[in-house]
Amino acid sequence: DVKVTQSSRYLVKRTGEKVFLECVQDMDHENMFWYRQDPGLGLRLIYFSYDVKMKEKGDIPEGYSVSREKKERFSLILESASTNQTSMYLCASSLTGGVGNTQYFGPGTRLTVL
Amino acid sequence: AQSVTQLDSHVSVSEGTPVLLRCNYSSSYSPSLFWYVQHPNKGLQLLLKYTSAATLVKGINGFEAEFKKSETSFHLTKPSAHMSDAAEYFCVVSNTGFQKLVFGTGTRLLVSP
Repeated sequence: DVKVTQSSRYLVKRTGEKVFLECVQDMDHENMFWYRQDPGLGLRLIYFSYDVKMKEKGDIPEGYSVSREKKERFSLILESASTNQTSMYLCASSLTGGVGNTQYFGPGTRLTVL
Repeated sequence: AQSVTQLDSHVSVSEGTPVLLRCNYSSSYSPSLFWYVQHPNKGLQLLLKYTSAATLVKGINGFEAEFKKSETSFHLTKPSAHMSDAAEYFCVVSNTGFQKLVFGTGTRLLVSP
């Protein structure tokens, strides 16, 4: 079974803090993704990576950056957290060339910025 | 460009009655289509996927979906709802060969005894 783990289930931070969200997958997947989930909006793609040290902007990259130094780990960074970044953050991974581009998701991190 | 429209934000059924969650899609290319389920405080789990093979796709927990190109629809059905089916369901589209997924806004399924 594919396992995607996220470092925290719940996180509370203050406005202006630098925030790191960590994601690790154990299936040697090339592709990794960060989404945020908000009620009524579904999931929106923030950034994705198709290889180590490679990254691509998703639909809502503003206010975020990412890092992928190792294949199994993909970090989302909020350089200066703001209240409008309060959300559920979901990480996913997938195999390049896999049929149907199935993505496997972690349990999510619920971030509150005060 | 791709997009997905989930026609109902909430669906309520009684236990033992059929479930229908509606999804229409738009895609410039041959699409891959998915249904994911999210139980409260859990991550997303793949229910089923369509990748241009059989148009009727069977998934886990008794769910199935039918790809209808003429109607650009991919509705999710189950003959008999169970209390454990209460969750949020997402219809998702991707262009085959590309990695990006486009999610619908979700349908919350409520199941009453």
